[in-house]
Order: sequence, then C-alpha cells, then structure tokens
Amino acid sequence: QVQLQQSGPGLVKPSQTLSLTCAISGDSVSSNSVAWNWIRQSPSRGLEWLGRTYYRSKWYNDYAVSVKSRIIINPDTSKNQFSLQLNSVTPEDTAVYYCARLSSSCYDYWGQGNLVTVSS
Amino acid sequence: DIQVTHSPSSLSASVGDRVTITCRASQSINNFLNWYQQKPGKAPNLLIYAASSLQSGVPSRFSGSGSGTDFTLTISSLQPEDFATYYCQQSYSAPYTFGQGTKLEIK
Repeated sequence: QVQLQQSGPGLVKPSQTLSLTCAISGDSVSSNSVAWNWIRQSPSRGLEWLGRTYYRSKWYNDYAVSVKSRIIINPDTSKNQFSLQLNSVTPEDTAVYYCARLSSSCYDYWGQGNLVTVSS
Repeated sequence: DIQVTHSPSSLSASVGDRVTITCRASQSINNFLNWYQQKPGKAPNLLIYAASSLQSGVPSRFSGSGSGTDFTLTISSLQPEDFATYYCQQSYSAPYTFGQGTKLEIK
C-alpha cells in the first residue's frame, strides 16, 4: 500500500520561500512507471496542478506555466521523497498543498495535505 | 489548456436517490477522464478512471460513462457517506486539469 506523508511549515511570510516534503512508502521515487506531483487547492483557483518529477532513465520535471519561474521540485532518492520549493510567495499562494502519485494517467494516491498560509 | 466543466455545481438529494453528475471537456479527450470524491479536510479520492473503470475498493454503486467531450458520474443509490464534493479531471493533455466540482448535499 502506497502512502505519502507530507511535512512542512504552515505559515510563510510574503516574498519568502514555501518548502514542503512528501515522503513515500510502498513505492519508489525512482519508479519508471509513475510521476510524483504537487497539486494545490484554494477557493479561488480550485484544484491546480503545480508540477511533477519523474524518472525515465534520467530525471524529468514539468511545471505549470503559472508558477514556472518560481518553482522547483526535487527528488531525493536517499530518503525516498520529493520536495516542493515555491519562491517569492504572495498571499495568492495561500492554499492546501497536496503531493500525489500519477499512475496510468490518474492521481491514485495523495498525501494528507498541508494548509500553507502566506502572511506577515 | 483543456477546460472541464461540471454541471450542476451543487445538488441536493436524499439517501437512496439515484444521482448523475455531468462533466464536459472543452475538446475531445477520448476516455481520458477521471472522477474523484473529496470530503471536508481530506484529500481527493480516486473513484473512476478512464471514464468508466471503477477504482479498486470503490463501491459498485458508483459508475462512470462517456467519451469525447461528455461524461457522467452516477451514484445508483445514495448512501450517507456519499455526501461530498465530486471532481472530474482530464488526463488527455498536459497540464491535466480539474473541474470546479459538484457539491452533493443532503436534502
């Protein structure tokens, strides 16, 4: 059974960096048949895909156009986890952030979610 | 990006009712359409993938149909635990996008 356990701060100041981690059990971040994603949810934007990392003989990343200049998603094979870094945050980035596994074109496992508030 | 639109955005129904929720894509997506259920404070949970395939562990009262641009999620006999928000999501073309959801409430 795959489990995703998220961790990270719930409050970030404007202009600073939001950092979250998703620890994987029951699968490998280096699996060559799935992708590891970050998705956020807010009342104004709904469910919004942010980006993904995946391994197909080498590492790949894809990012949403809306955050492409500010986002980094990194795999950590030593800890079997992946992370989200979103720079220069504003109150518009306040949301519940989820990590999720994409397998066979659907998000079949999700983390528990982290509410991140951007406020001074 | 491909847009997916729910109708209705909210729905009131009673235990035992048969309920249908519709999702329409802005272009043909073949059968690359998934359905999720979300309860307050929880992550979305995959119900149906590839338009009509039931995810393991999901009760058989849930079913999905459709192809091209029009899709439906049907709950054959509503149970108390089914009152939640339902989302469709297209996986035909990146970025994979979600609909705005249909909130199913108790009448």
